[in-house]
Amino acid sequence: GAGVSQSPSNKVTEKGKDVELRCDPISGHTALYWYRQSLGQGLEFLIYFQGNSAPDKSGLPSDRFSAERTGGSVSTLTIQRTQQEDSAVYLCASSPISSHTEHTEQYFGPGTRLTVT
Amino acid sequence: RKEVEQDPGPFNVPEGATVAFNCTYSNSASQSFFWYRQDCRKEPKLLMSVYSSGNEDGRFTAQLNRASQYISLLIRDSKLSDSATYLCVVNKGSLNTDKLIFGTGTRLQVFP
Repeated sequence: GAGVSQSPSNKVTEKGKDVELRCDPISGHTALYWYRQSLGQGLEFLIYFQGNSAPDKSGLPSDRFSAERTGGSVSTLTIQRTQQEDSAVYLCASSPISSHTEHTEQYFGPGTRLTVT
Repeated sequence: RKEVEQDPGPFNVPEGATVAFNCTYSNSASQSFFWYRQDCRKEPKLLMSVYSSGNEDGRFTAQLNRASQYISLLIRDSKLSDSATYLCVVNKGSLNTDKLIFGTGTRLQVFP
């Protein structure tokens, strides 16, 4: 079946512009996560959705970053007034359930490579 | 101190070799542990979960030591296709989130 998809795959934008990144999770997956990975760095957690609500936004680096999820499915990550340090690969993942006691595999999308010039 | 620490490598090993990676984590409340594999410029994919009693999947063996907050991955009979970055992953251990904390990864290069 279809995996997690993300769009666009690549985005080049000028400093100061807003960008919107999209994630389509696997159908039926209730949990959705956004991460970013800078060159040579590990994955940095940004935000977690359970259904349409976001119980954990602790990873969002500043108030320029926001995310929403509608219909328990598609999610968008918006970065306002982009800065060069926002350049990274933004990865979305989904999982079928979310429980701190379960070994829940997260399935990742291919990512959006954002370059801020 | 990082929440999940790994030796970045690279580990350069010949085909057929046995190689082991280690990882330490700081949150004693963590409940779930995983090894993910990430190929160059690709997304991470789950390699295996790590269970308290240790577990094996073919050539791969994972061990967990809760007392020392230490996780290991052993790869036997290395193949060229095992070349990748191996990410140690630990859940945050909070009731309200299933947030996973990723290590920066250990790079493995298997040569002929």
